[in-house]
Amino acid sequence: AQSVSQHNHHVILSEAASLELGCNYSYGGTVNLFWYVQYPGQHLQLLLKYFSGDPLVKGIRGFEAEFIKSKFSFNLRKPSVQWSDTAEYFCAVRAGGTSYGKLTFGQGTILTVHP
Amino acid sequence: GAVVSQHPSRVICKSGTSVKIECRSLDFQATTMFWYRQFPKQSLMLMATSNEGSKATYEQGVEKDKFLINHASLTLSTLTVTSAHPEDSSFYICSAALGVDTQYFGPGTRLTVL
Repeated sequence: AQSVSQHNHHVILSEAASLELGCNYSYGGTVNLFWYVQYPGQHLQLLLKYFSGDPLVKGIRGFEAEFIKSKFSFNLRKPSVQWSDTAEYFCAVRAGGTSYGKLTFGQGTILTVHP
Repeated sequence: GAVVSQHPSRVICKSGTSVKIECRSLDFQATTMFWYRQFPKQSLMLMATSNEGSKATYEQGVEKDKFLINHASLTLSTLTVTSAHPEDSSFYICSAALGVDTQYFGPGTRLTVL
Protein backbone atom coordinates (compact mmCIF):
# COMPACT_ATOMS: atom_id res chain seq x y z
CA ALA A 1 0.00 0.00 0.00
CA GLN A 2 1.16 3.50 -0.70
CA SER A 3 1.81 6.15 1.93
CA VAL A 4 2.53 9.86 1.78
CA SER A 5 4.54 12.01 4.16
CA GLN A 6 4.55 15.78 4.32
CA HIS A 7 7.44 17.07 6.34
CA ASN A 8 6.06 20.30 7.73
CA HIS A 9 2.81 20.67 9.60
CA HIS A 10 2.83 24.47 9.69
CA VAL A 11 4.89 26.89 7.63
CA ILE A 12 4.87 30.62 8.29
CA LEU A 13 6.24 33.04 5.69
CA SER A 14 6.18 36.70 4.84
CA GLU A 15 4.85 37.89 1.51
CA ALA A 16 7.34 37.58 -1.37
CA ALA A 17 9.25 34.79 0.35
CA SER A 18 9.90 31.61 -1.58
CA LEU A 19 8.04 28.44 -0.68
CA GLU A 20 8.91 24.79 -0.81
CA LEU A 21 6.69 22.15 0.77
CA GLY A 22 8.08 18.66 1.00
CA CYS A 23 6.23 15.52 -0.01
CA ASN A 24 7.60 11.99 -0.05
CA TYR A 25 5.72 8.85 -0.92
CA SER A 26 6.32 5.17 -0.64
CA TYR A 27 5.12 2.92 -3.43
CA GLY A 28 7.09 0.59 -5.64
CA GLY A 29 5.23 1.05 -8.88
CA THR A 30 4.15 3.82 -11.19
CA VAL A 31 2.37 6.64 -9.42
CA ASN A 32 0.21 9.61 -10.22
CA LEU A 33 0.92 12.58 -7.94
CA PHE A 34 -1.26 15.47 -6.90
CA TRP A 35 -1.20 18.61 -4.83
CA TYR A 36 -4.51 19.89 -3.49
CA VAL A 37 -5.16 23.17 -1.70
CA GLN A 38 -7.88 24.02 0.80
CA TYR A 39 -8.43 27.72 1.38
CA PRO A 40 -10.10 28.71 4.66
CA GLY A 41 -13.75 27.75 4.59
CA GLN A 42 -13.56 26.19 1.15
CA HIS A 43 -13.34 22.69 -0.26
CA LEU A 44 -10.28 20.92 -1.60
CA GLN A 45 -9.17 22.11 -5.03
CA LEU A 46 -6.64 20.60 -7.40
CA LEU A 47 -3.47 22.67 -7.65
CA LEU A 48 -1.51 20.49 -10.03
CA LYS A 49 -0.90 16.87 -10.98
CA TYR A 50 1.77 14.67 -12.48
CA PHE A 51 1.08 11.56 -14.53
CA SER A 52 4.03 11.25 -16.91
CA GLY A 53 6.41 13.24 -19.08
CA ASP A 54 8.18 16.38 -17.91
CA PRO A 55 8.82 15.92 -14.18
CA LEU A 56 8.45 19.66 -13.61
CA VAL A 57 4.75 20.39 -13.47
CA LYS A 58 3.20 23.84 -13.47
CA GLY A 59 -0.11 24.45 -11.80
CA ILE A 60 -2.46 27.30 -11.05
CA ARG A 61 -1.56 30.49 -9.19
CA GLY A 62 2.16 30.25 -9.99
CA PHE A 63 2.76 26.95 -8.21
CA GLU A 64 4.95 24.20 -9.57
CA ALA A 65 6.12 20.80 -8.41
CA GLU A 66 8.99 18.56 -9.36
CA PHE A 67 8.78 14.79 -9.44
CA ILE A 68 12.09 13.20 -8.50
CA LYS A 69 11.66 9.49 -8.94
CA SER A 70 14.94 8.52 -7.29
CA LYS A 71 13.93 10.39 -4.15
CA PHE A 72 10.26 9.41 -4.21
CA SER A 73 9.50 13.09 -3.85
CA PHE A 74 7.05 15.60 -5.29
CA ASN A 75 7.84 18.91 -3.63
CA LEU A 76 5.66 21.95 -4.19
CA ARG A 77 7.29 25.32 -4.89
CA LYS A 78 6.38 28.92 -5.47
CA PRO A 79 9.01 31.64 -5.99
CA SER A 80 7.08 34.41 -4.26
CA VAL A 81 4.09 33.77 -2.03
CA GLN A 82 1.17 36.09 -1.48
CA TRP A 83 -1.10 36.61 1.51
CA SER A 84 -3.86 34.91 -0.48
CA ASP A 85 -1.81 31.68 -0.57
CA THR A 86 -2.65 31.14 3.09
CA ALA A 87 -4.28 27.70 3.07
CA GLU A 88 -3.72 24.05 3.85
CA TYR A 89 -1.88 22.03 1.22
CA PHE A 90 -2.21 18.29 0.72
CA CYS A 91 -0.01 16.01 -1.30
CA ALA A 92 -1.67 12.85 -2.64
CA VAL A 93 -0.62 9.76 -4.55
CA ARG A 94 -2.52 7.27 -6.63
CA ALA A 95 -1.23 3.98 -7.97
CA GLY A 96 -0.61 4.64 -11.64
CA GLY A 97 -2.66 3.00 -14.35
CA THR A 98 -5.60 2.50 -12.04
CA SER A 99 -8.77 4.06 -13.30
CA TYR A 100 -10.65 5.78 -10.50
CA GLY A 101 -7.94 4.52 -8.17
CA LYS A 102 -7.99 5.71 -4.62
CA LEU A 103 -6.01 8.69 -3.47
CA THR A 104 -3.74 8.44 -0.45
CA PHE A 105 -3.22 11.82 1.19
CA GLY A 106 -0.41 13.23 3.25
CA GLN A 107 -1.06 14.86 6.61
CA GLY A 108 -1.35 18.32 5.15
CA THR A 109 0.75 21.46 5.60
CA ILE A 110 -0.79 24.67 6.83
CA LEU A 111 0.76 27.70 5.16
CA THR A 112 0.35 31.08 6.80
CA VAL A 113 1.56 34.09 4.84
CA HIS A 114 1.91 37.37 6.68
CA PRO A 115 1.41 40.57 4.69
CA GLY B 1 -15.00 23.87 -12.80
CA ALA B 2 -17.10 20.94 -11.71
CA VAL B 3 -19.09 21.45 -8.52
CA VAL B 4 -19.83 18.93 -5.80
CA SER B 5 -22.18 19.75 -2.96
CA GLN B 6 -22.78 18.07 0.38
CA HIS B 7 -25.76 18.29 2.65
CA PRO B 8 -25.93 18.99 5.48
CA SER B 9 -22.80 21.01 6.11
CA ARG B 10 -23.10 20.44 9.81
CA VAL B 11 -25.15 18.04 11.91
CA ILE B 12 -25.44 17.34 15.61
CA CYS B 13 -27.21 14.19 16.72
CA LYS B 14 -27.76 12.07 19.79
CA SER B 15 -25.89 8.85 20.36
CA GLY B 16 -27.72 5.88 18.85
CA THR B 17 -29.41 7.77 16.04
CA SER B 18 -28.61 7.50 12.33
CA VAL B 19 -27.46 10.35 10.14
CA LYS B 20 -27.58 10.59 6.36
CA ILE B 21 -25.16 12.75 4.39
CA GLU B 22 -25.75 13.52 0.73
CA CYS B 23 -23.13 14.13 -1.92
CA ARG B 24 -24.20 15.56 -5.28
CA SER B 25 -22.32 16.34 -8.45
CA LEU B 26 -24.15 19.42 -9.68
CA ASP B 27 -23.01 19.84 -13.25
CA PHE B 28 -21.61 16.48 -14.27
CA GLN B 29 -22.33 12.79 -13.96
CA ALA B 30 -20.08 10.70 -11.78
CA THR B 31 -20.09 6.95 -11.97
CA THR B 32 -17.66 6.88 -9.08
CA MET B 33 -17.72 8.86 -5.87
CA PHE B 34 -15.47 8.57 -2.86
CA TRP B 35 -16.09 9.09 0.85
CA TYR B 36 -13.33 10.32 3.13
CA ARG B 37 -13.07 11.01 6.82
CA GLN B 38 -10.81 13.65 8.29
CA PHE B 39 -9.82 13.78 11.94
CA PRO B 40 -8.57 17.03 13.46
CA LYS B 41 -5.07 17.90 12.28
CA GLN B 42 -4.89 14.70 10.30
CA SER B 43 -5.17 13.74 6.69
CA LEU B 44 -8.14 12.57 4.70
CA MET B 45 -8.64 8.84 5.05
CA LEU B 46 -10.53 7.06 2.31
CA MET B 47 -13.47 5.15 3.72
CA ALA B 48 -15.07 3.71 0.61
CA THR B 49 -15.49 3.93 -3.12
CA SER B 50 -19.06 4.32 -4.28
CA ASN B 51 -20.00 3.05 -7.72
CA GLU B 52 -23.30 3.91 -9.33
CA GLY B 53 -25.61 0.92 -9.44
CA SER B 54 -23.36 -1.43 -7.49
CA LYS B 55 -22.13 -2.08 -4.00
CA ALA B 56 -19.56 0.22 -2.47
CA THR B 57 -16.01 -0.95 -1.92
CA TYR B 58 -14.89 -0.35 1.65
CA GLU B 59 -11.35 0.22 2.84
CA GLN B 60 -9.86 -2.11 5.39
CA GLY B 61 -11.06 -1.36 8.87
CA VAL B 62 -14.21 0.49 7.79
CA GLU B 63 -17.40 -1.19 8.98
CA LYS B 64 -19.78 -1.52 6.04
CA ASP B 65 -22.77 -2.06 8.32
CA LYS B 66 -21.90 1.07 10.22
CA PHE B 67 -21.34 3.32 7.24
CA LEU B 68 -23.96 2.54 4.64
CA ILE B 69 -23.32 3.92 1.17
CA ASN B 70 -25.85 4.17 -1.61
CA HIS B 71 -25.09 5.49 -5.09
CA ALA B 72 -28.51 5.38 -6.69
CA SER B 73 -27.88 7.81 -9.54
CA LEU B 74 -25.03 9.34 -11.48
CA THR B 75 -25.26 12.53 -9.48
CA LEU B 76 -26.03 11.37 -5.94
CA SER B 77 -24.29 9.24 -3.35
CA THR B 78 -25.37 9.03 0.28
CA LEU B 79 -23.49 8.00 3.40
CA THR B 80 -25.56 6.91 6.37
CA VAL B 81 -23.85 6.65 9.74
CA THR B 82 -25.97 4.12 11.61
CA SER B 83 -26.33 4.07 15.37
CA ALA B 84 -23.88 6.91 15.67
CA HIS B 85 -21.61 7.18 18.71
CA PRO B 86 -19.34 10.01 19.89
CA GLU B 87 -16.32 8.34 18.29
CA ASP B 88 -18.02 8.77 14.91
CA SER B 89 -17.78 12.52 15.30
CA SER B 90 -15.63 13.74 12.45
CA PHE B 91 -15.48 15.68 9.21
CA TYR B 92 -16.80 13.65 6.29
CA ILE B 93 -15.84 14.65 2.75
CA CYS B 94 -17.00 13.23 -0.54
CA SER B 95 -15.50 13.52 -3.99
CA ALA B 96 -16.82 12.75 -7.44
CA ALA B 97 -14.69 11.47 -10.29
CA LEU B 98 -14.90 13.29 -13.60
CA GLY B 99 -13.34 11.07 -16.18
CA VAL B 100 -10.40 8.91 -15.21
CA ASP B 101 -8.03 11.41 -13.73
CA THR B 102 -9.72 14.00 -11.62
CA GLN B 103 -11.72 14.06 -8.40
CA TYR B 104 -13.76 17.06 -7.38
CA PHE B 105 -14.35 17.45 -3.68
CA GLY B 106 -17.38 18.54 -1.74
CA PRO B 107 -17.19 21.09 1.09
CA GLY B 108 -17.51 18.45 3.80
CA THR B 109 -19.97 17.67 6.59
CA ARG B 110 -19.13 18.17 10.24
CA LEU B 111 -20.79 15.45 12.32
CA THR B 112 -21.00 15.80 16.08
CA VAL B 113 -22.50 12.95 18.08
CA LEU B 114 -23.49 13.82 21.63
